[in-house]
Amino acid sequence: DAGVTQSPTHLIKTRGQQVTLRCSPKSGHDTVSWYQQALGQGPQFIFQYYEEEERQRGNFPDRFSGHQFPNYSSELNVNALLLGDSALYLCASSNRGGEETQYFGPGTRLLVL
Amino acid sequence: AQKITQTQPGMFVQEKEAVTLDCTYDTSDPSYGLFWYKQPSSGEMIFLIYQGSYDQQNATEGRYSLNFQKARKSANLVISASQLGDSAMYFCAMSLNTGFQKLVFGTGTRLLVSP
Repeated sequence: DAGVTQSPTHLIKTRGQQVTLRCSPKSGHDTVSWYQQALGQGPQFIFQYYEEEERQRGNFPDRFSGHQFPNYSSELNVNALLLGDSALYLCASSNRGGEETQYFGPGTRLLVL
Repeated sequence: AQKITQTQPGMFVQEKEAVTLDCTYDTSDPSYGLFWYKQPSSGEMIFLIYQGSYDQQNATEGRYSLNFQKARKSANLVISASQLGDSAMYFCAMSLNTGFQKLVFGTGTRLLVSP
């Protein structure tokens, strides 16, 4: 039973560029949440996708956007990258529209130079 | 607003001993869930244990138990018989039972298990 997978594992970008991160949920899960974890901090909720729609959003600017596909996989897009966007980006999947426990992927480490 | 506080930046324990990691939370909602996750240096957050606010019994999962004291708003994680592989960051998190989960995390506790 495959767990949550994320790609790429590492990424280096420069300020002003755009980035797309990808996530495939655990088999049988229909909900994907994205979190940003800055160095030395706990993860911060970005947004959650269910039925291909954004359900709720954390305190992140519009530069952060996402998408969920019919197969429940998801993308996180960040435009106009800032140095402060350097972080570990974690994807979590859950079932029943997000009512159940979230299981996390290994994350994508993004470095913005 | 929800808030999780973990006051121990680091903890040390010897192999085979028990250790308690502290977590206090703040919410005015009566219905919520409390979680503990383990994060090894690889980065993946591993789910350990869950406690619902209406659960009468403390949750247990193998060597992990959650000491839930509702009146004190604390949800401490107890790891019994520590192993070297338990060395990692540990995060306490909570969510409101609004029909979907948005997890709010604490700042974490780094646990080091020594031989």
